[in-house]
Amino acid sequence: EAGVTQFPSHSVIEKGQTVTLRCDPISGHDNLYWYRRVMGKEIKFLLHFVKESKQDESGMPNNRFLAERTGGTYSTLKVQPAELEDSGVYFCASSLLGPGANVLTFGAGSRLTVL
Amino acid sequence: AQSVAQPEDQVNVAEGNPLTVKCTYSVSGNPYLFWYVQYPNRGLQFLLKYITGDNLVKGSYGFEAEFNKSQTSFHLKKPSALVSDSALYFCAVRDTFTGGGNKLTFGTGTQLKVEL
Repeated sequence: EAGVTQFPSHSVIEKGQTVTLRCDPISGHDNLYWYRRVMGKEIKFLLHFVKESKQDESGMPNNRFLAERTGGTYSTLKVQPAELEDSGVYFCASSLLGPGANVLTFGAGSRLTVL
Repeated sequence: AQSVAQPEDQVNVAEGNPLTVKCTYSVSGNPYLFWYVQYPNRGLQFLLKYITGDNLVKGSYGFEAEFNKSQTSFHLKKPSALVSDSALYFCAVRDTFTGGGNKLTFGTGTQLKVEL
């Protein structure tokens, strides 16, 4: 079974530019999550999709961040315009609905560096 | 608000010795507790979880963790460490009151280094 795939693995951009991160969850996983780890600190929740619907976006830092999951398959996280404090590793995770929902499968992360 | 503390940034242990990675938590209700491991250039991998039942939980790769409600702890343990266990370990908690989603709160991570 293919795992959670994230692209790009590393992106370096200038402050003010736009970056779009993509996540392909495990096929059949309706739950999709975005998390972020900044500067070696704790991994923080950003938002949660169930299929194409945003279930909880309470962790999104501000309106410069936009997440979508068209068709309930892959998801994108756009940062526009990027600021220095947005640098970090963005993790995507997915899980089944129902009994398997508690165990998340994470991708390798997309490292974002804003200069 | 829920929180997780991993008091040690790094734990060093000799191969063959027992290892412990510490975790304490704070939640308003009953906790769901998890350990994940991250190897270099890989995603976080699920190790084990405590939802209910026996306080000693066994997981992947010979790891286990003990849920201690009175001390609000969920320390990760392994009787005999391997060099290949060297990785970054994250403890996480989910409050049972959060509803259907898995909005996990993670600790800052503990780097485990197992040396020959």
